Amino acid sequence: QKEVEQNSGPLSVPEGAIASLNCTYSDRGSQSFFWYRQYSGKSPELIMSIYSNGDKEDGRFTAQLNKASQYVSLLIRDSQPSDSATYLCAVPFDYNLFFGTGTRLTVIP
Amino acid sequence: DAGVIQSPRHEVTEMGQEVTLRCKPISGHNSLFWYRQTMMRGLELLIYFNNNVPIDDSGMPEDRFSAKMPNASFSTLKIQPSEPRDSAVYFCASSLITGLLGNQPQHFGDGTRLSIL
Repeated sequence: QKEVEQNSGPLSVPEGAIASLNCTYSDRGSQSFFWYRQYSGKSPELIMSIYSNGDKEDGRFTAQLNKASQYVSLLIRDSQPSDSATYLCAVPFDYNLFFGTGTRLTVIP
Repeated sequence: DAGVIQSPRHEVTEMGQEVTLRCKPISGHNSLFWYRQTMMRGLELLIYFNNNVPIDDSGMPEDRFSAKMPNASFSTLKIQPSEPRDSAVYFCASSLITGLLGNQPQHFGDGTRLSIL
């Protein structure tokens, strides 16, 4: 069974702070990793993908991957109230994506 | 480019009725996925297709659920007879699976919010 684990939260940070979201996965052979954002009542939206060890930056978002530790994280710098959502970590295996249960983030103005 | 298109957006029906959810994947994508999401159970994969062929339907809760993909641009998820516990948001997603297994993310439709009374 492929497992993807996230802290369910909720995680609350003040506006302007750094939000740190973490995810661990069980399959050592996984090669690609995705972060989705889901606003309440909306569908999951892909925001980041990472394939290599290290950091990948896209605007205020940074994904960090450590394959040896089977750990992937998402940092959101200068958090905004509009970042308040549930963030889902997803790890592919075969044709499928295994999702974590998501971390609910609230950015407090 | 058009994304994944699902219909209807909302469906309210009485217990025992047949429900049909529809999905049009992104053009060029060769894999299609049906998910169900509830507060209690989160996002659950029901079934996925590759090149119109069902690959894994182990997530389909019971025989009341069936899914078809008659061609590359259309899929249906049917519930017959429907029950109140089927109430959830049903998402369809599609992706392009290439020789690099699992290298492509899935793109989700807006979902169908289903309420069974």
